[in-house]
Amino acid sequence: KAGVTQTPRYLIKTRGQQVTLSCSPISGHRSVSWYQQTPGQGLQFLFEYFSETQRNKGNFPGRFSGRQFSNSRSEMNVSTLELGDSALYLCASRGSVSGNTIYFGEGSWLTVV
Amino acid sequence: AQKITQTQPGMFVQEKEAVTLDCTYDTSDPSYGLFWYKQPSSGEMIFLIYQGSYDQQNATEGRYSLNFQKARKSANLVISASQLGDSAMYFCAMRESMDSSYKLIFGSGTRLLVRP
Repeated sequence: KAGVTQTPRYLIKTRGQQVTLSCSPISGHRSVSWYQQTPGQGLQFLFEYFSETQRNKGNFPGRFSGRQFSNSRSEMNVSTLELGDSALYLCASRGSVSGNTIYFGEGSWLTVV
Repeated sequence: AQKITQTQPGMFVQEKEAVTLDCTYDTSDPSYGLFWYKQPSSGEMIFLIYQGSYDQQNATEGRYSLNFQKARKSANLVISASQLGDSAMYFCAMRESMDSSYKLIFGSGTRLLVRP
């Protein structure tokens, strides 16, 4: 059974650019959530999607957005990148059957220069 | 507000010995879940174990067990028979069930180093 797949794994962007990260959840999972991990702030919740609807959003500026498609794949977008957006972005998926087991992907390492 | 505290920034353990990683939490919700994840240097967060607030027994998964003390609001992870591959960051996380979302609140983590 394939795990949570995130692409790209590594990327470097310039300040002011935008970036789109992709997440494919475990087959059958309809809930996808995103987290940002930085050395200074630790792991912080960005947003959660379930059946294409955003169910919860963390305390991040509007430059951070996301969406979920009908096949449960999710994307997050960060516009007008700032140096402080450099982080590991982790996607997690959960299925109704797995209940309280939340599985994470390997993450996307974003560096903003 | 909900909060997770991991007071041990770093821990050492000798190979084959047991180690306990501390986690305390704060919540006013009677229904909640506690998770432990392992994060090697590659970045992936690996699910280890889950404990629900109403679970009567402490959770166990192979060499991992969770010492759940509800009155003390602690959920310590015990790793038995440590292996070199256990060297990683370990995060404790909590989910409140006040709403239908699965937002996790994470602690700051403990870096575990297993000595040969």
